Amino acid sequence: EVQLVESGGGLVQPGRSLRLSCAASGFTFDDYAMHWVRQVPGKGLEWVSGISWNSGQIAYAVSVKGRFTISRDSAKNSLYLQMNSLRAEDTALYYCAKENSYDITTGYIDSWGQGTLVTVSS
Amino acid sequence: QLVLTQSPSASASLGASVKLTCSLSSGHSTYAIAWHQQQPEKGPRYLMKVNSDGSQSKGDGIPDRFSGSSSGAERYLTISSLQSEDEADYYCQTWDTGILVFGGGTKLTVL
Repeated sequence: EVQLVESGGGLVQPGRSLRLSCAASGFTFDDYAMHWVRQVPGKGLEWVSGISWNSGQIAYAVSVKGRFTISRDSAKNSLYLQMNSLRAEDTALYYCAKENSYDITTGYIDSWGQGTLVTVSS
Repeated sequence: QLVLTQSPSASASLGASVKLTCSLSSGHSTYAIAWHQQQPEKGPRYLMKVNSDGSQSKGDGIPDRFSGSSSGAERYLTISSLQSEDEADYYCQTWDTGILVFGGGTKLTVL
């Protein structure tokens, strides 16, 4: 059974940084692309970033490009999101998601984590 | 620009059927989409992929009550024999050269 467990969320001041982690299990992590998707409470889903199986393809939403960095560690079966220069509008529940393919060009999500909440406030 | 459009809300009675619609923007009528369900206070769950020819690929454990279909630029999710636990938000999702796009979601109320 695929399991994706996010961690690292919390309360952070505007302008500061935070690093989210996602521990993956139940599938061969190296074989699949991964994504981060966020959701402001009570609102819809917004794609944030995606990374291919070998980190050769990386993409970001315009709203986070230049501030967020996605990465993965195959030895730890983990996905990361380094978030810098955080803004109030980055406040959301952040989900880790598995794609059904190895690259990010055929991308539908077929598994989701439960999310970790990031609150950006002074 | 690739955009997915969904009605904000839908409702149907317990035991009845409902058909939710996801519309692809002009020029993107051949794109496949995926449907995801989000029950209250829970993370999303993948339901199925629906191709432009109407073929579908369901996620593990998704009941037969859930089915997908297509017509032109429209992609559908039909839920039959509605149960109380089907009350949820339903999102369609597609992709284009490395980016993922979500529809605004449809909130389904089971009466």
